[in-house]
This record gives sequence, C-alpha cells and structure tokens, in this order.
Amino acid sequence: AQSVAQPEDQVNVAEGNPLTVKCTYSVSGNPYLFWYVQYPNRGLQFLLKYITGDNLVKGSYGFEAEFNKSQTSFHLKKPSALVSDSALYFCAARTGFQKLVFGTGTRLLVSP
Amino acid sequence: KAGVTQTPRYLIKTRGQQVTLSCSPISGHRSVSWYQQTPGQGLQFLFEYFSETQRNKGNFPGRFSGRQFSNSRSEMNVSTLELGDSALYLCASSLVGDRGISPEAFFGQGTRLTVV
Repeated sequence: AQSVAQPEDQVNVAEGNPLTVKCTYSVSGNPYLFWYVQYPNRGLQFLLKYITGDNLVKGSYGFEAEFNKSQTSFHLKKPSALVSDSALYFCAARTGFQKLVFGTGTRLLVSP
Repeated sequence: KAGVTQTPRYLIKTRGQQVTLSCSPISGHRSVSWYQQTPGQGLQFLFEYFSETQRNKGNFPGRFSGRQFSNSRSEMNVSTLELGDSALYLCASSLVGDRGISPEAFFGQGTRLTVV
C-alpha cells in the first residue's frame, strides 16, 4: 500500500532562518510527489511537484523541495522563512492514475 | 481562469438528514476527486471520477456517494448523517492531457459540514 509520512507534527523556526519540512514516501513504481499548503478554513494550495528529472524542484513563494530516491524522501525547504509562511503543510504522492495519498500534515510556525 | 468552486461553503445539518455538496472543476479538467478532512483522521480519500465514471474509491460506507455530470461538475451525497461526518469536504480537479491525467490536483476552498 502506498503511504506518505511526515514525522513532525510541528516545526518552529524564526523569521529569516531556513526551514525544512520532512516527508518520506512508500509507493510502488515511480512516484509523483507534491507539496500543498493550507491556511485556516481554506482549501489546499499547490506549491510544487516532482515528476521526473532534476531532483531539486522549485515552487511557489520561494519554496523548493529535494527528491532523494535512495532515502525515499521529498523534503520541503525555504532559505529564509517569513511569518506569513505559518500554515499547515501536506506532502502527497501518487503513481500513475492512482489516488493521491497524503501525509498527516506538519504545522509550520514562524516566529517574528 | 477560475479555480475549483465548491458550494456551499458552510452547511449545518441534523443527524439523520442527507446532504449534497457540489464541485465545479477548473475549465477543461475532467477528473474530480473528493476528500474528507478532520482533525483526527487527516485527509481521507473518498472517490475520484473521470468522464462520469468512478475510477477510484476510498474506504467509506455506502452512505457516501458521488456522481459526475457530462460537463465534469461533480456532486457528493451523504445520507443518514452522523455526528462523525462533521468535516471539511474538499474537491480537487486534474487536467486530462494527451498522455493521460496530469498528476497534480487543484483544490477548492472546501465545504465545512457540521452535523448537530
């Protein structure tokens, strides 16, 4: 069965510092990997995706993610965090036409 | 281009009633999926429709059903509502291109259902 793990319920970082939100996956075949962000009482906003090719993918709002096949990881990163980045972040995976499988989410808190 | 539109945004229903939620996908998107989000269970997949056919189904009881119309709009129905059905219901659409379904899904704002 396909699964996505986000080992941290919450990540705290000071504004201006780099941030990392961790994600590991377990899927059969070549995965499509995604990061989404959710603000309170809102839907999920697409941030970035990995399909194939370069292991470092860049997305919206200065976020990027690094695909590591050997470690089956797809960590979300940003060089300099903003208070406005505080939100709930979801990692997701799918293969082919299979359903999207989500991690449990990581709450990011950026302090001023 | 308009995003995924879900109506209504908020809904309060009584136990035992039924409810219908609506989702209009992004223009040109023919795949629509539904998810239930709760604090305890996170994001749970309900079902996916493509060209009016259900392609994937999650592990929900038969009280949860859906359908897709020829214009790709989708509805989700929950019958005999229970308190535990209170959740944010999210709809997502995906583009179907020449090579199949585009892998990323775009989400609507959700419908917040409260069962009392």
